[in-house]
Amino acid sequence: QVQLKESGPGLVQPSQTLSLTCTVSGFSLTSYNVHWVRQPPGKGLEWMGRMRYNGDTSYNSALKSRLSISRDTSKNQVFLKMNSLQTDDTGTYYCTREFGVRRVFDYWGQGVMVTVSS
Amino acid sequence: DIQMTQSPASLSASLGETVSIECLASEGISNDLAWYQQKSGKSPQLLIYAASRLQDGVPSRFSGSGSGTRYSLKISGMQPEDEADYFCQQSYKYPFTFGSGTKLEIK
Repeated sequence: QVQLKESGPGLVQPSQTLSLTCTVSGFSLTSYNVHWVRQPPGKGLEWMGRMRYNGDTSYNSALKSRLSISRDTSKNQVFLKMNSLQTDDTGTYYCTREFGVRRVFDYWGQGVMVTVSS
Repeated sequence: DIQMTQSPASLSASLGETVSIECLASEGISNDLAWYQQKSGKSPQLLIYAASRLQDGVPSRFSGSGSGTRYSLKISGMQPEDEADYFCQQSYKYPFTFGSGTKLEIK
């Protein structure tokens, strides 16, 4: 069945780089787009960026200068790297699969909580 | 960016009551509107897409409507398991944007 699972460090120091991995199963990264979405504690959802099935990427302009999304199709993994982290980058980071012409998120990972603190 | 204004921010309903949540887009989004339910400590789950289409497995008491810039989610007959946060999301243009959320509690 379709699964996505995020992994990465729970604690990152301010000004450092965050590296997260989304490992997927049950579908191919060459057939579906995968997105990253984050959620500060107790707040709403923010779309961060997308890895398209063909390898193209798209980023939220608010994060574009700090954000990079890449993939390894042989390992079924999508990667997120974001530099210059600050305390307001604290939150839960999700990867999610895009489905259909309406581009909805039909499957989500469990999320990984990232705290930015010294 | 398209702004999604969601209301109310919080809502309290009795079991069996019908509730509605609204989202207003800052420009027309051509029904590219989805609703997600997020229970405490869990990931969001897709309820409705294309403004009014029910995702497989979602109870029929959930329904969506709207067009242009105004959209709504209705729960016909509140159940205990419906206590959650609800978010709308537009996928008409990048960057995809979400409403600020509605916290639905049982009265």
